[in-house]
This record gives sequence, C-alpha cells and structure tokens, in this order.
Amino acid sequence: AQSVTQLDSHVSVSEGTPVLLRCNYSSSYSPSLFWYVQHPNKGLQLLLKYTSAATLVKGINGFEAEFKKSETSFHLTKPSAHMSDAAEYFCVVSDYGSSNTGKLIFGQGTTLQVKP
Amino acid sequence: ETGVTQTPRHLVMGMTNKKSLKCEQHLGHNAMYWYKQSAKKPLELMFVYSLEERVENNSVPSRFSPECPNSSHLFLHLHTLQPEDSALYLCASSQDLRGEQYFGPGTRLTVT
Repeated sequence: AQSVTQLDSHVSVSEGTPVLLRCNYSSSYSPSLFWYVQHPNKGLQLLLKYTSAATLVKGINGFEAEFKKSETSFHLTKPSAHMSDAAEYFCVVSDYGSSNTGKLIFGQGTTLQVKP
Repeated sequence: ETGVTQTPRHLVMGMTNKKSLKCEQHLGHNAMYWYKQSAKKPLELMFVYSLEERVENNSVPSRFSPECPNSSHLFLHLHTLQPEDSALYLCASSQDLRGEQYFGPGTRLTVT
C-alpha cells in the first residue's frame, strides 16, 4: 500500500533563508509524487509533480523537489524563503498503480512559518 | 484557482436540513473528486467520478450523496448531517485518473 510521511509538522525559517520540507514515501509501484500548498482559507495548489522522468523536479514559485529512490524520499526545497510562502504543505502519492481510481494519499501536512 | 469553482464557499446547516454543494471545472477534465478536510486529519477522499461514472466510494455514510450529471459538474447532496461532518469540502478534477488533480477553493460547512 502507498503511504507518505511528512517528517516535520511545523517548520520555521527566516525570510531569505533556505526551506527544506521533508517527505518519505512507501510505494509498491513506481510512484507518482506531488507537493501541494494550501494557504489559509484556500484550496490546494499544485506546486510540482514527479512521474518517473527527471529526478529533480522544478515547480512554481522557485520550489524544487528531488526524488531519491534509495532513500524513498521526496523532499521539497527552496533556496530563499519569502513571506508569501507561509502556508501548509502536503506531500502526496498517487494510489493509481494499485487501485486504478485516481486516489491520492496525503501526508499530514507541514506548516511553514516565515519570520521577517 | 479559477479552473475549478465551488459554491457556496460557506454553509451553515442544521442537522435536519437538506443542502447541496456544487463544483464546476472549466479545464476539460474527465475525472472529478470530492474530499473532506477536517482539522488535525489528513485529507480524506470521499468519491471519484470518471467520465460521469462513480469509480470510488470510500466508505462514506449515505447521508452524503454525490451526483455527476456531466464531466464538468459535480454535486454533493447533504441530508441529516451530524456535527462531526463540519469540515472543509474540496472538489478536484484531473484529465484522467492518472493525472494531477486541480482543486477548488472548498466549501466550509458547519453543521449545528
């Protein structure tokens, strides 16, 4: 069965410093992995996706994630945090390989705080 | 965000009321989804439709009844809800069941 674990429930950084949000996954298949962001009182916005092409994936707003099969990780990074990055971030794995239903498995979420 | 719209954005209803949530996608997608987001819990998939056919009912109580009249519209009919059903209900769509999902802004539901 597919699962994701976000290793930090809360991360705090200063504006202009790097961001690292950690995610480990478990999958019986070659996984499709995503990062979504949710700002307060908003829906989820797709940041980036990995679907077995390049292992380093570039997303919107300067975010990147690297797929590391040996470590079963898909950590999200950004070189320099901006105040507008403060939000909830979700690491997600697709369950399509086992269920054929488009079901997404969500992590618990990481709250990113950006201090001025 | 305007690719998937949801109405209403906020809804307060009593336990004996009947109401409906509406979702519309303007992306030409063939699959649509309902999710429930409660405080302190991961997002829960409720229903999946592909080409207007339901392909997943994730053990959702019968007081929630989905309807997908065409590939652009998805409804969630609500009746006899419980206070624990208060949550943010999110709609999403994707090109097909393998594709990435795009979410609407959600309906904040409060059951009194």
